[in-house]
Amino acid sequence: SQQGEEDPQALSIQEGENATMNCSYKTSINNLQWYRQNSGRGLVHLILIRSNEREKHSGRLRVTLDTSKKSSSLLITASRAADTASYFCATVANQAGTALIFGKGTTLSVSS
Amino acid sequence: DAGVTQSPTHLIKTRGQQVTLRCSPKSGHDTVSWYQQALGQGPQFIFQYYEEEERQRGNFPDRFSGHQFPNYSSELNVNALLLGDSALYLCASRFDLGGYTFGSGTRLTVV
Repeated sequence: SQQGEEDPQALSIQEGENATMNCSYKTSINNLQWYRQNSGRGLVHLILIRSNEREKHSGRLRVTLDTSKKSSSLLITASRAADTASYFCATVANQAGTALIFGKGTTLSVSS
Repeated sequence: DAGVTQSPTHLIKTRGQQVTLRCSPKSGHDTVSWYQQALGQGPQFIFQYYEEEERQRGNFPDRFSGHQFPNYSSELNVNALLLGDSALYLCASRFDLGGYTFGSGTRLTVV
């Protein structure tokens, strides 16, 4: 079963613009992680934010977490064509082991 | 430092057959998880191994089984293959409570 829902399902922007993807989830979490997947290959870990954190930065990435609304957002600033990929949020639920539960993803297309 | 290695990369099997997929975790990683990803969907958790034992299992039938070896490598076995088992199978490893490192996957096609 899917835990999260990403929004939008697809996003098309121009190089240099910012891209924002949102994720909502259902249960109490230990942490939330964002992954990128290029062309149906393996996933690449981007960033992990713990339930007691509200915002985290990594390079051009900014992630926010609102546990009261059970939602997170991923902002990619100054997008590049190489950012074209599918982006997934994944949660690790409290008291439910450490498995990642993924949403369906957002497909980002960045055109030059 | 090699990441997660999966083999084979592609596989075609016939309905009813059995398949074994293999995974070598990233060096230093002791926990291995397996995921099934259907086309256009997010990965679905199958099971996780730590210290050679299955520690957590997702909503998959008993046809899906696994094993972890003393060197932390892992196998995923699927018996009595169905057409619906066609998917990308991803292996992921981690150490402690950090993020996971994923392999490039095995693309399984059942005909």
